[in-house]
Amino acid sequence: AQSVTQLGSHVSVSEGALVLLRCNYSSSVPPYLFWYVQYPNQGLQLLLKYTTGATLVKGINGFEAEFKKSETSFHLTKPSAHMSDAAEYFCAVSDLEDDKIIFGKGTRLHILP
Amino acid sequence: NAGVTQTPKFQVLKTGQSMTLQCAQDMNHNSMYWYRQDPGMGLRLIYYSASEGTTDKGEVPNGYNVSRLNKREFSLRLESAAPSQTSVYFCASSERLAKAFFGQGTRLTVV
Repeated sequence: AQSVTQLGSHVSVSEGALVLLRCNYSSSVPPYLFWYVQYPNQGLQLLLKYTTGATLVKGINGFEAEFKKSETSFHLTKPSAHMSDAAEYFCAVSDLEDDKIIFGKGTRLHILP
Repeated sequence: NAGVTQTPKFQVLKTGQSMTLQCAQDMNHNSMYWYRQDPGMGLRLIYYSASEGTTDKGEVPNGYNVSRLNKREFSLRLESAAPSQTSVYFCASSERLAKAFFGQGTRLTVV
């Protein structure tokens, strides 16, 4: 069965600084990987997804993630943080063998002025 | 576009009471999900339905039952609510291996 580990339940960065949120996955077959964002008292919205092909994936709001098979990682980055990026971020995995979507425990991103 | 609609938005139950959370999607998706969200635990899959008439247990199915009534609707039932089931519940739908669309959540408190 697939699983996801997100390192760091809370991450703080200064406004304008690099955002790096870490995600490692476990899957016995090629994974489908997702990053979702949740703003307070709302449901989840998709930021980006990796299925096949190009390993660097660009999403909404300036976020991108790189699939690294050798490291079983799918870290989320943004070059310059904005106050509006403060939210909780979830990494998720699915695959062709077991197409349930399994989520990590989430990382709450705090932006410091 | 309605997307995924969950009802109710808020509910307070007494221990031992039963209730059904309703979910409907209008995107003709085959896959539907029920998750619960608890602080520090992320979203944990309760039950999953790959298509009408099929359901599968997720990570935390104990204390819950589901029904995939038709392609649009996927309900979650608590037969005898317990305080440990206090949580925020999310319904979601997707095409297979594609992005999931989420409802706005149901905040359930069991006292």
